[in-house]
Amino acid sequence: AQSVTQLDSQVPVFEEAPVELRCNYSSSVSVYLFWYVQYPNQGLQLLLKYLSGSTLVKGINGFEAEFNKSQTSFHLRKPSVHISDTAEYFCAARVNSGGSNYKLTFGKGTLLTVNP
Amino acid sequence: KAGVTQTPRYLIKTRGQQVTLSCSPISGHRSVSWYQQTPGQGLQFLFEYFSETQRNKGNFPGRFSGRQFSNSRSEMNVSTLELGDSALYLCASRPQGGDGELFFGEGSRLTVL
Repeated sequence: AQSVTQLDSQVPVFEEAPVELRCNYSSSVSVYLFWYVQYPNQGLQLLLKYLSGSTLVKGINGFEAEFNKSQTSFHLRKPSVHISDTAEYFCAARVNSGGSNYKLTFGKGTLLTVNP
Repeated sequence: KAGVTQTPRYLIKTRGQQVTLSCSPISGHRSVSWYQQTPGQGLQFLFEYFSETQRNKGNFPGRFSGRQFSNSRSEMNVSTLELGDSALYLCASRPQGGDGELFFGEGSRLTVL
């Protein structure tokens, strides 16, 4: 079985500071990895995804993430955050099973709060 | 292109009642998944439907059921509601094939009193 762990439930930062949201996964098979963002009273929006190839993945709104197979991590980073980045961020994994299983396993989420 | 539409957005029920939630996927998407989101358990997979067939099911009791219609619209039903069923129920659709990216609706927030 696979699992996704987000190491920080809350991350407060000041505006224009860099931020890293940590995500570790465990799986006995290869996985696809995703980061989603959820703004208050809204659904989830995809920030970025890792399927294969380059381990550095760039997404929307200036976010990027690096896949590290040896450390089974997929940390999300942004060099300079804005107030509007305040939201909950979810890391998710899907088993690479050849297209028969599209179930996502989510981490518990990290609430990013950007303060002025 | 319109996104995933879920109705109703908010509803209040009492214990023992049943509820039906509706989801209209993005046009052309034939797969619909449902997730339950609660503060304690986070996001948990309920089930996935593709072309009117349930493909995968999460670890939920039989009180949770769903179906998909020929136009890809989906409904989920929860019978004999319990207080612990209070949650945000999210529906997501995805295009056929591809990398499995899910497109989420804004959710239906169910409160059970």
